[in-house]
Amino acid sequence: DAKTTQPPSMDCAEGRAANLPCNHSTISGNEYVYWYRQIHSQGPQYIIHGLKNNETNEMASLIITEDRKSSTLILPHATLRDTAVYYCIVKLPAGGTSYGKLTFGQGTILTVHP
Amino acid sequence: GAVVSQHPSWVICKSGTSVKIECRSLDFQATTMFWYRQFPKQSLMLMATSNEGSKATYEQGVEKDKFLINHASLTLSTLTVTSAHPEDSSFYICSARVLGQNTEAFFGQGTRLTVV
Repeated sequence: DAKTTQPPSMDCAEGRAANLPCNHSTISGNEYVYWYRQIHSQGPQYIIHGLKNNETNEMASLIITEDRKSSTLILPHATLRDTAVYYCIVKLPAGGTSYGKLTFGQGTILTVHP
Repeated sequence: GAVVSQHPSWVICKSGTSVKIECRSLDFQATTMFWYRQFPKQSLMLMATSNEGSKATYEQGVEKDKFLINHASLTLSTLTVTSAHPEDSSFYICSARVLGQNTEAFFGQGTRLTVV
């Protein structure tokens, strides 16, 4: 799985959009970009994933650059409960030899303040 | 989304004893489950891949005789920490993927193990 680079920490004001960047310059053509978050002392929570098109769900939007070397997770209206560590993970789709296991980097600590 | 439940949420045990942690997929079947360990202020580290009906696959550096994994059914995997020592104190997390689907993995809420 390709390596990802994320800023160690970011701040965001409550109610504003939080834009979390991720670099994955060595991503291969069939690798997906996944985002998870981990609130303190809980298991990771799936947020969103995509291959090359931008994706949106009820939690967030995922913007992937045309060359797929970077992406941005957008939380449109951050709340205090969005304070967490956000992990960007690049991996092959489940069903291959990777079985769907995830390799976690250090992630970005997002702090949403009032 | 699918629900993965871990039990217990936290446990304190004495050095030398064994502790069993359960991971259940509540509303789906999972042929494969994963066990992770997380030390304070660190990221999750994959320990092993648990396959229903067969032996688990351990990551390099993880002692298979110390961390026993059993995946006897499509909805239950267990991790037993044998002869626990204080350095085994950690946050243990399992995840599972829906059988036959190319979907994301779902995580349990984690188990905080403290060995005293």
